Amino acid sequence: QQPVQSPQAVILREGEDAVINCSSSKALYSVHWYRQKHGEAPVFLMILLKGGEQKGHEKISASFNEKKQQSSLYLTASQLSYSGTYFCGGGPRTNYGGSQGNLIFGKGTKLSVKP
Amino acid sequence: DAGVIQSPRHEVTEMGQEVTLRCKPISGHNSLFWYRQTMMRGLELLIYFNNNVPIDDSGMPEDRFSAKMPNASFSTLKIQPSEPRDSAVYFCAIPRDYLIYEQYFGPGTRLTVT
Repeated sequence: QQPVQSPQAVILREGEDAVINCSSSKALYSVHWYRQKHGEAPVFLMILLKGGEQKGHEKISASFNEKKQQSSLYLTASQLSYSGTYFCGGGPRTNYGGSQGNLIFGKGTKLSVKP
Repeated sequence: DAGVIQSPRHEVTEMGQEVTLRCKPISGHNSLFWYRQTMMRGLELLIYFNNNVPIDDSGMPEDRFSAKMPNASFSTLKIQPSEPRDSAVYFCAIPRDYLIYEQYFGPGTRLTVT
């Protein structure tokens, strides 16, 4: 029931664009995206909620197709600082409307940006 | 600002020994998450506390693992007895908001069981 991410790894040159996909077999209320640099903790990038609301990040955007339970992360004009492993996490809905937080994460997509 | 202290940062122990990992949110939080990360299994949620009570512990691997959150400023994850397959990086995380849209991860504890 772990979300499936693709591709597993991608190598870019600075300035190139990339798309990372996340697909879940379970109905989701929210999709959360995190980035983890080597040897560091995951860092929150953004959340996409059922109904279209999203909280974003600088040059990184994302979409959430509720019907297909798929999300995509778009990295535009990539920078060296974008290198890292990107994780999507799926969250079920709670009774009080928020994301309960007990996320199930995909295995990650390793992004390497070269000069 | 949210911040989490985890200790120890690195732990090397022998199989069969008890291991206690600690998590201290700098500002008290009633919600807290413990995760385990390995190459094989990725980032797994072990247990989730809300109002200092375990809400979801379905990710705790087996009875060797136990976790407590006696107050909003402290939590422990204990492994007794430890096994080599427990080797991983263990993170605790706290929510940045009451809707738990964003989780702030601590620096992690790298555990090696030989």
